[in-house]
Formats: sequence, structure tokens, C-alpha cells
Amino acid sequence: SQTIHQWPATLVQPVGSPLSLECTVEGTSNPNLYWYRQAAGRGLQLLFYSVGIGQISSEVPQNLSASRPQDRQFILSSKKLLLSDSGFYLCAWSAEAGGHNEQFFGPGTRLTVL
Amino acid sequence: SQQGEEDPQALSIQEGENATMNCSYKTSINNLQWYRQNSGRGLVHLILIRSNEREKHSGRLRVTLDTSKKSSSLLITASRAADTASYFCATPSYTLQGAQKLVFGQGTRLTINP
Repeated sequence: SQTIHQWPATLVQPVGSPLSLECTVEGTSNPNLYWYRQAAGRGLQLLFYSVGIGQISSEVPQNLSASRPQDRQFILSSKKLLLSDSGFYLCAWSAEAGGHNEQFFGPGTRLTVL
Repeated sequence: SQQGEEDPQALSIQEGENATMNCSYKTSINNLQWYRQNSGRGLVHLILIRSNEREKHSGRLRVTLDTSKKSSSLLITASRAADTASYFCATPSYTLQGAQKLVFGQGTRLTINP
């Protein structure tokens, strides 16, 4: 069966510090991978998605970047965090299956920038 | 851009009652999905309804889809305290690169009172 892992679960970082959040998927090959951010009590905002190794697309301009060094590894990074980067970050994967792409989510990382 | 919008934003009912949440969307779709999120956790896929389906059941869940009105509803029957969560609808969209992505609404926060 497929599983998706995210770490760390929580993170408190000072403004200006770097960030690296990791997401890995097991039990599937060539998944589509996604990074979302969720503000408190709000919906999900898609930040990045990837359809293959080294292929990253950004949905919104921001202070963050993403990389996919391996088929089932997706990393969210920042060189210098801003206060506005605080939020709940969710990684998800899906398989392209006839256009009905159910997404499977990781447990999330709660990031607080102080 | 926001595709699905849930209504109401918050709903509080007594255990045993039925809960109905609605979702409206703007563009043509080939499916609509409902997800559930417990507080501070990742999203869990509940049900997918295709554009050629009018109604779908899964346990105590009943989803309807009216493509002429561009709306969907999620009904939870005989609610339980454990159903307390936020519920999101999601509709597929396409990225500039032609990859399929999901666009989530803002969610309905459901509280079941014992």
C-alpha cells in the first residue's frame, strides 16, 4: 500500500532563517507531487506541483522553492523565511488515472516563523 | 483562482442529526471530490463523483452533483461526534503545463455536539 511521510511535524523558525521540509512517498512510482499551504481556518493554496524528477511548476510567486531530486521525494525550501511563511504545509501525491486524480495527503508540517 | 466554494462556512448540530454541506463551482468539470480534515491533520479523500453521476453513496455519506447548477452537496446521516472536522470540496483544473490539479474550496467546519 502507498504511504506518504512528511517531516518535521512542527517547526518554529526565526525570520531570515532557511527552511527545508521533506516529503516522501512509498508504494507507488512516478507520482504527481504537490505542496500546499493552509492558513488557519482556511482552504488550501497550491504552491508547487511536480509531474516528474526535476520538473517543478510554481502556482504562485513567493519566497519558497521546491525540488524533486528523486522520483518519490519532494522538498520545500526557503533561503530566508518571512513572517508570512507561517502556516500549515501539506504534501500530497496523486496518480494520473484517466483524469480522475484523487489526492493523498501527508500529515502536514506546522511552521511558525517568529 | 477559487473554484469550489462551500456553504455554510460553519455548521453545528446535535449528534444523530443529519449534516448537509454544499459546494458551488464555476467551470465545467469531469468530477468533483470531497475531503475531510481533522484539526491539525492532513486531508482524507472521502468520495469522488463523476460528471455523469447524479448521486453516490459511501456508508453514511451521500453526495449529489447537479452539473446544470454547478453545485454538489455532501450529506452525512446519523452524525457522530467523530464526524467533527472540516469538509472540503475539490474540482479538477489544469495547470499552464497541462497537468491536472485540484482546486479546493474554503471548507465547512462541522461540529457535532454530543
